[in-house]
Amino acid sequence: EVQLVETEGGLIQPGGSLRISCAASGFTVSTNDMSWVRQAPGLGLEWVSVIYSGGATFYADSVKGRFTISRDNSKNTLYLQMNSLRVEDTAVYYCARATKVHYMDVWGKGTTVTVSS
Amino acid sequence: QTVVTQEPSFSVSPGGTVTLTCGLSSGSVSTSYYPSWYQQTPGQAPRTLIYSTDTRSSGVPDRFSGSIFGNKAALTITGAQADDESAYYCVLYMRSGIWVFGGGTKLTVL
Repeated sequence: EVQLVETEGGLIQPGGSLRISCAASGFTVSTNDMSWVRQAPGLGLEWVSVIYSGGATFYADSVKGRFTISRDNSKNTLYLQMNSLRVEDTAVYYCARATKVHYMDVWGKGTTVTVSS
Repeated sequence: QTVVTQEPSFSVSPGGTVTLTCGLSSGSVSTSYYPSWYQQTPGQAPRTLIYSTDTRSSGVPDRFSGSIFGNKAALTITGAQADDESAYYCVLYMRSGIWVFGGGTKLTVL
C-alpha cells in the first residue's frame, strides 16, 4: 500500500529548530517529487517546499533561508529541517507525493508543530 | 508575489450545481499551470479531486469536473450532496518550480 507517515511534531520555542520526517512505503521517495504543505490553525493550505527527483529544491518565500527539505534514500524518508522558527510557523505539516503532471496524489495525515514561548 | 484567488465561501442547494473558480492576481490561468483541486474536511488531510485541469483522480465521482472558465480554472459540482460540504483548494504549478495554493473556498450545502 502506498502510504506516507509523518513523525510526531512538537512544541518549540520561537527561534528554535525542529526536524520533521515523513516515511514512505509502497513507493520510492528518491524517484518521485516530494512536497511539504502546511496549514495554520483555522487557515488554508500553504505550499512550503518541494524536492524534485533530480534533487532540485524550491521553497515558499515565507520559509526560504530557514527551512531545508531533504531525503534519505536508504530510509525512504523525506525530511523538513526547520530553523529560526516563528510563532507564525505553527501549523499542521503534511508531506505529499507530487507527480510528474504537477499535482499531489498521496498525502500523509499530518503532524502538528507549535511554536510558542 | 503571485496570489491565487478563490471565492472565500459559496453556498449551494442539495442537488444543485456550483462552480468554484481559481484565478491569478495578475494574468490568466491556463492548462500550463496544471491546476489541481483538493477537498478537505476539518481535521482531515486533503483529498485529491482533479488534476491537470480536468482529470478526475481515482475514485472521485463524476459529479466533480474541472475546466478552464474564461481566465480561471474552475471546479464544478453537479448534483451537490450534503457530504460535499467541505473546503476546496486549488493549486497552481509555476514554471519557476514552485507551487501556490489558493486561499480555499468553504462550500456550504443547504
